[in-house]
Amino acid sequence: DGGITQSPKYLFRKEGQNVTLSCEQNLNHDAMYWYRQDPGQGLRLIYYSQIVNDFQKGDIAEGYSVSREKKESFPLTVTSAQKNPTAFYLCASRTGALGNTIYFGEGSWLTVV
Amino acid sequence: QKEVEQNSGPLSVPEGAIASLNCTYSDRGSQSFFWYRQYSGKSPELIMSIYSNGDKEDGRFTAQLNKASQYVSLLIRDSQPSDSATYLCAVNMPYGGATNKLIFGTGTLLAVQP
Repeated sequence: DGGITQSPKYLFRKEGQNVTLSCEQNLNHDAMYWYRQDPGQGLRLIYYSQIVNDFQKGDIAEGYSVSREKKESFPLTVTSAQKNPTAFYLCASRTGALGNTIYFGEGSWLTVV
Repeated sequence: QKEVEQNSGPLSVPEGAIASLNCTYSDRGSQSFFWYRQYSGKSPELIMSIYSNGDKEDGRFTAQLNKASQYVSLLIRDSQPSDSATYLCAVNMPYGGATNKLIFGTGTLLAVQP
């Protein structure tokens, strides 16, 4: 089945730890995105990548890092520098054509313990 | 001014009624507009997209776009309890050069009462 797979679905992080959220898509989409959603709030863009080996900071990139070594994969690392990482993280992708629909993975819940 | 604005709700409608969800946006150069439905604890799913002025119908859903007023709306006819969710408006806005960025509103919570 075609789609976007995020893992893990639930993740607990201890203070000071880095954690990596995986995002894989088999839709052959060029662009991939990471959003963060806090309870009762909208989606905020963390990072995006329009082609392999290139990515750009979004609105809230501090404390996060990404890589785009393969078209299918866009992992997000939440570093210890991110002071308030507890949130719902959404990976998304779309084709490179402007205006095309963006599709989401099922999301990953990250909680700091 | 927020780039994409929605009333947070909750918007409460009785079962069988028409639910009307509204969204305004700031950038006149925006070209494409989307409505997503998000159930609690789940990821957003696309329900409608609209690119030109006027109405676009898909089943019980109608999206309406007025670029002159920078306004996009979603009508849900014959509302069902299963329609209870948060509805996110998303707008593709120019973002320097040939790129654009999809900006989301904070969503409107719809509650359909049986």
